[in-house]
Amino acid sequence: SQTIHQWPATLVQPVGSPLSLECTVEGTSNPNLYWYRQAAGRGLQLLFYSVGIGQISSEVPQNLSASRPQDRQFILSSKKLLLSDSGFYLCAWSWHPPTEQFFGPGTRLTVL
Amino acid sequence: AQKITQTQPGMFVQEKEAVTLDCTYDTSDQSYGLFWYKQPSSGEMIFLIYQGSYDEQNATEGRYSLNFQKARKSANLVISASQLGDSAMYFCAMRPDLTGGGNKLTFGTGTQLKVEL
Repeated sequence: SQTIHQWPATLVQPVGSPLSLECTVEGTSNPNLYWYRQAAGRGLQLLFYSVGIGQISSEVPQNLSASRPQDRQFILSSKKLLLSDSGFYLCAWSWHPPTEQFFGPGTRLTVL
Repeated sequence: AQKITQTQPGMFVQEKEAVTLDCTYDTSDQSYGLFWYKQPSSGEMIFLIYQGSYDEQNATEGRYSLNFQKARKSANLVISASQLGDSAMYFCAMRPDLTGGGNKLTFGTGTQLKVEL
């Protein structure tokens, strides 16, 4: 069966510090991968998606970037965090061709 | 562009009763998919049910069913025999016609459901 991991589960970072969130998927190969952000009390906003190694599509201009160095690894990064980067970050995967998406447990990021 | 509207920010239902969570959508695509996800307080998004735009039958998964009315562009979730564990935030989402191999989901703002004794 497939599982998706995210870490860390929670993170508190000062403004201006770097960020690296990691997501890995087990039990499948060549998945589509996605990063979402959920602001408090809001729906999910798609940030990035990837259909393969090194292939990243950005959905909204922002202070964040994503990379996919390995088939089942998806990393969300920032060089300098802003207060507005606070939120709940969810990674998801789907089969290729795509069907429903399966989400990880999320990372709660607070930028102070 | 796709848009999902969930007009009920919060709903209450008595245990063992049925409840309907509303979802309307807007798209110019001929082919699309509709999803419902459950998000408990832990934060994880749990996939519940899927309806394809060309599916003639309404989707059902256990106690969940999707009341799909294409002409009205609505995809309401019906939960039968509510349980305390159903208390959570529920999101409706849509996938547009597949282009470029992606699978972008557009989410609504969610409905907070509370099941009471």
